Amino acid sequence: EPEVTQTPSHQVTQMGQEVILRCVPISNHLYFYWYRQILGQKVEFLVSFYNNEISEKSEIFDDQFSVERPDGSNFTLKIRSTKLEDSAMYFCASSEAADTQYFGPGTRLTVL
Amino acid sequence: QKEVEQNSGPLSVPEGAIASLNCTYSDRVSQSFFWYRQYSGKSPELIMSIYSNGDKEDGRFTAQLNKASQYVSLLIRDSQPSDSATYLCAVNRAGYGGATNKLIFGTGTLLAVQP
Repeated sequence: EPEVTQTPSHQVTQMGQEVILRCVPISNHLYFYWYRQILGQKVEFLVSFYNNEISEKSEIFDDQFSVERPDGSNFTLKIRSTKLEDSAMYFCASSEAADTQYFGPGTRLTVL
Repeated sequence: QKEVEQNSGPLSVPEGAIASLNCTYSDRVSQSFFWYRQYSGKSPELIMSIYSNGDKEDGRFTAQLNKASQYVSLLIRDSQPSDSATYLCAVNRAGYGGATNKLIFGTGTLLAVQP
């Protein structure tokens, strides 16, 4: 069964460093998303992406964040200058239509 | 008012019993509703989607939707210890021009099935 994959599973970085989180969505899906979940809190929407552009972004998704689909398979989330409060699980999701979303296993980001 | 509300639990049920999980939402225009299961440290795993008023059954799971009351529920029959997890209710919110959508999640209900 096709699934969303994410790498790395765990990323540790120093405050102020740039990180890139990678996702490979399900192959025939056209809509892509990033969510995050701070430990003990709810899953929060960050950004949606369709037709090679951002469709919507949340207030969390400020100028430090960017997304890219560099080729036909990868979808990346870049955080330019990480802060302590960026420590969270980051989930990539994809959907075939603008509806049911399937989540990847997540990347645990730890900012020291 | 929170957009999607769930009782955080824990909800404790004995093995073999029916577990009933509830969710309310605030946006009346919402059209799609989802239940995800999340084991500790793992990602949300889709259990069911529901779009129309009434019941939708899939194996041991039944989702119920009442749009007039802005209420969604999930029933788990013959609960097993492996069902112990956090159950997330999510509501689909259409994006600008309907091009995409985002999921608004509740905080989740922790279910503990006692052997």
